[in-house]
Amino acid sequence: QQQVKQSPQSLIVQKGGISIINCAYENTAFDYFPWYQQFPGKGPALLIAIRPDVSEKKEGRFTISFNKSAKQFSLHIMDSQPGDSATYFCAASRNTGGFKTIFGAGTRLFVKA
Amino acid sequence: NAGVTQTPKFRILKIGQSMTLQCTQDMNHNYMYWYRQDPGMGLKLIYYSVGAGITDKGEVPNGYNVSRSTTEDFPLRLELAAPSQTSVYFCASSGRGQRTGELFFGEGSRLTVL
Repeated sequence: QQQVKQSPQSLIVQKGGISIINCAYENTAFDYFPWYQQFPGKGPALLIAIRPDVSEKKEGRFTISFNKSAKQFSLHIMDSQPGDSATYFCAASRNTGGFKTIFGAGTRLFVKA
Repeated sequence: NAGVTQTPKFRILKIGQSMTLQCTQDMNHNYMYWYRQDPGMGLKLIYYSVGAGITDKGEVPNGYNVSRSTTEDFPLRLELAAPSQTSVYFCASSGRGQRTGELFFGEGSRLTVL
């Protein structure tokens, strides 16, 4: 019930293309869904996050789509750039007990120039 | 504005040795966490703390101990190191209320046990 399943494990996209990473969760008590971006040798950094009362959130080229009934959410990176090449983690937590953030296994994205 | 600082960045241990990974944050965050990251496995929560003097186990606590004597510091102790503890360790912190889920990570401590 605590799992967050992320796919694909790796992704190669042409420059200018759309990168799509999917996640699914089981625990309906989760109420905060962030995405983290991690570059090699660095710690993860918060990229964008969504709460379940909205179906979509957009920040620049990054969009989260959220489907509460299906218990799924996804990250879309529009106009993907080589600088977006990194590992992306989806996560889920309960804001009333947000100290237990559960992470997906990660997706390694490579954007070809 | 340092954020979350971890030391050391790299360490090699022999089986059976012990060591402490240090973590300090300067954002006055109540919540602090230790995660380990293994290839293809995401981040697994080892221990967390909701405030000074309060700690609790996460998903993978065996072989580790923590303490939280101040708001700023949250050291992770490895007792009797084993090869299975070879990993990259990340300390993180977060604030209160609606910001609890926004984790700020350090740059990691890469540990190898031989």
